[in-house]
Amino acid sequence: DQQVKQNSPSLSVQEGRISILNCDYTNSMFDYFLWYKKYPAEGPTFLISISSIKDKNEDGRFTVFLNKSAKHLSLHIVPSQPGDSAVYFCAAKDSNYQLIWGAGTKLIIKP
Amino acid sequence: KAGVTQTPRYLIKTRGQQVTLSCSPISGHRSVSWYQQTPGQGLQFLFEYFSETQRNKGNFPGRFSGRQFSNSRSEMNVSTLELGDSALYLCASMLTGENTEAFFGQGTRLTVV
Repeated sequence: DQQVKQNSPSLSVQEGRISILNCDYTNSMFDYFLWYKKYPAEGPTFLISISSIKDKNEDGRFTVFLNKSAKHLSLHIVPSQPGDSAVYFCAAKDSNYQLIWGAGTKLIIKP
Repeated sequence: KAGVTQTPRYLIKTRGQQVTLSCSPISGHRSVSWYQQTPGQGLQFLFEYFSETQRNKGNFPGRFSGRQFSNSRSEMNVSTLELGDSALYLCASMLTGENTEAFFGQGTRLTVV
């Protein structure tokens, strides 16, 4: 039973364009969501988060949008750069403070 | 401030052996979680320790165990290694509280031959 789903295993985007990564969740009790970026053979690094009391959070080129009614969040990267090529994980924090992870989306930025 | 430190970075073991991996969290972080990542797979949650107690547990067999010490350092042990245990093992530390993020170490690459 996957509570956090990233339905796109991979995404290819032209450099300079917008990258949109999507994440869906099933548990309406989740109240904190995070995005991580991971390069091969390294640990994930935290990118940006959003609390359920907000619908948008922005940090430089990264913006996360939360639609609670649809149980959907998305990460926008504008403009996309070659160094953004990585696997992106979406996570939600449950009531036990445990992070529930999506399967990841591999983002490829084409020059 | 020092990040999450995992040792060793690389390890090669033989089937049937056991292995112990170590994780030192960020100073002040009392929660330590362990994950397994195999090629093409996401992050599979193993367990989480908080104040020396296992607080959450994933769906891994009993061969996988862990513990946490009073200084919050954590160890993970895998006994009777199988070829399928070859993976990147990641440790993450976190402050307590609701709106906090987890910080990951570089991982330990375990190869079972």
